[in-house]
Amino acid sequence: DTAVSQTPKYLVTQMGNDKSIKCEQNLGHDTMYWYKQDSKKFLKIMFSYNNKELIINETVPNRFSPKSPDKAHLNLHINSLELGDSAVYFCASSLQESDGYTFGSGTRLTVV
Amino acid sequence: AQSVSQHNHHVILSEAASLELGCNYSYGGTVNLFWYVQYPGQHLQLLLKYFSGDPLVKGIKGFEAEFIKSKFSFNLRKPSVQWSDTAEYFCAVNARGATNKLIFGTGTLLAVQP
Repeated sequence: DTAVSQTPKYLVTQMGNDKSIKCEQNLGHDTMYWYKQDSKKFLKIMFSYNNKELIINETVPNRFSPKSPDKAHLNLHINSLELGDSAVYFCASSLQESDGYTFGSGTRLTVV
Repeated sequence: AQSVSQHNHHVILSEAASLELGCNYSYGGTVNLFWYVQYPGQHLQLLLKYFSGDPLVKGIKGFEAEFIKSKFSFNLRKPSVQWSDTAEYFCAVNARGATNKLIFGTGTLLAVQP
């Protein structure tokens, strides 16, 4: 069973479009995250939710809007996509701070 | 604010060579420390972690790391690398007792030549 699953795995879209990425975890974790990995492999946190409550909101354009309908799901909606949004987006979840995160397999977003 | 430095950006080794990847962090309080591995085209997987206790921690696939508090370091080691260890390695830290925000280093690309 996949612990943290993201869909879609690949997403190619034109500038200006709106797209969503979905994430689900079946680990019973309380906290979920979105990270962006750029072309140089640098990982930067974007958002974090704990039991549906937003607890981390880094300096991210407001075109990005996370939504957590329940603690097992965290979706990411992106409006008016730009070329610079091209990256791999990873979802992750955690239970305790000492456990680290469990990552999903990533969504490679390409904006053309 | 926390930060993590990985000084080796790209390391090339031959099979059976020993590996040590450097990681230093900057934070005045207590931290939890992690090493993650990302094989080509895959997601990040946890190699090992330090929370408390013995500063020498052992992880999967024969990796180990030593936490040296006085040096703010958490270097990753493996006595004998294999071709299958070719991957990107990330050191990460979170502040104990704060929001569980994991800060990653810039990564080290390890290429093992057969």
